[in-house]
Amino acid sequence: KQEVTQIPAALSVPEGENLVLNCSFTDSAIYNLQWFRQDPGKGLTSLLLIQSSQREQTSGRLNASLDKSSGRSTLYIAASQPGDSATYLCAVVNNAGNMLTFGGGTRLMVKP
Amino acid sequence: DTAVSQTPKYLVTQMGNDKSIKCEQNLGHDTMYWYKQDSKKFLKIMFSYNNKELIINETVPNRFSPKSPDKAHLNLHINSLELGDSAVYFCASSLSSGTYNEQFFGPGTRLTVL
Repeated sequence: KQEVTQIPAALSVPEGENLVLNCSFTDSAIYNLQWFRQDPGKGLTSLLLIQSSQREQTSGRLNASLDKSSGRSTLYIAASQPGDSATYLCAVVNNAGNMLTFGGGTRLMVKP
Repeated sequence: DTAVSQTPKYLVTQMGNDKSIKCEQNLGHDTMYWYKQDSKKFLKIMFSYNNKELIINETVPNRFSPKSPDKAHLNLHINSLELGDSAVYFCASSLSSGTYNEQFFGPGTRLTVL
């Protein structure tokens, strides 16, 4: 059974810092991996989706990498801003392509 | 022009009651999902429907019964509510056709059972 772990569980950084969020999964037979953002009391916003054949994806200040063989993904946030404060969730899709398994999330606080 | 919508946003009810949560998507997707986010913020899939057919049912008590009247709607009915059912329930949708696309999530329904 797939298990997804995110480290750290919480992170507090001063504005402007570059930071890395980590995600690991136990079963490397995945279809793809998706990073989400969740603001308090709100739904999930998709940030980046990496197909299993890809190594990384970039969107603005966000860069996500995927190393399928080692069961790892990282989300890199450049020049963090207070508006980046949220919970970041990593989720992997099974090979059938129909099921997301989520990690526990990393709660990020960027201080002005 | 909301993509995935859920009603109600908040639901407070007594133990033992029966309640429903509705979900609608206007993205033309053919697959819809229900997720539960517990008090520890852990998100877990409950059900998945593709073209109105149940695809995934992840060890959810049979007090929970999803119903999909058409591809754009997936409702969740819960019988005999228990305290442990208190959580945020998220609906999501995606397009299948052999290639996985992104899942788009609704805003969530916060259910509180007293």
